[in-house]
Amino acid sequence: EVQLVESGGGLVQPGGSLRLSCVASGFTFGDYWMSWVRQSPGKGLEWVGNLNQDGSVKDYAESVKGRFTISRDNVKRTLFLQMDRLNVGDTALYYCARDDRSASMRPWGQGTLVTVSS
Amino acid sequence: DVVMTQSPLSLPVTLGQPASITCRSSQSLVHTDGKTHLNWYQQRPGQSPRRLIYEVSNRDSGVPDRFSGSGSGTDFTLKIDWVEAEDFAIYYCMQGTHWPRTFGQGTKVEIK
Repeated sequence: EVQLVESGGGLVQPGGSLRLSCVASGFTFGDYWMSWVRQSPGKGLEWVGNLNQDGSVKDYAESVKGRFTISRDNVKRTLFLQMDRLNVGDTALYYCARDDRSASMRPWGQGTLVTVSS
Repeated sequence: DVVMTQSPLSLPVTLGQPASITCRSSQSLVHTDGKTHLNWYQQRPGQSPRRLIYEVSNRDSGVPDRFSGSGSGTDFTLKIDWVEAEDFAIYYCMQGTHWPRTFGQGTKVEIK
């Protein structure tokens, strides 16, 4: 069974940093592009970014470009999201998801909650 | 960014009755590869989104055949032939044709 399990969320002050992790199982992790997507009550679902199989190609939404960095460790089957200079608008439930050839994501993990507040 | 507009945002439905959700994109979703990357997701309370339909009308494995997708260009529809208790959820359309991927606001299918 394909599984994605996120961790690393929590409460952080504006301007702070957080690193999220997503551990994959049930498939050959290194064969797939992977994405991060976030969900907040105010903004709904928002694609954050993705990266290719070896981590050499990365793409980010404009709202996070220059502040967030996606990376991966294929040996540890883990996807990361380094979030710097966080602001209250980044408060959301963050999901990792596996990309497929149809330019969408399936499946998604259960999410990890990030709250940015003073 | 491509704006995805769903309607209605709330859809009260009686068990056993059909339901239909519309999604309209601000640009054509036909990709240069010839495919239309329009997807439908279901999100039940407390769960992460689950993809039901990809490329307009292809059901994912395990999705009941009472769910169907149709449409072309900028106008798309998700239909549930008869609603069962497990179908009460929020449904989102998502386009993957244009950068960045964007989602509709969601349609809440609720008990009438």
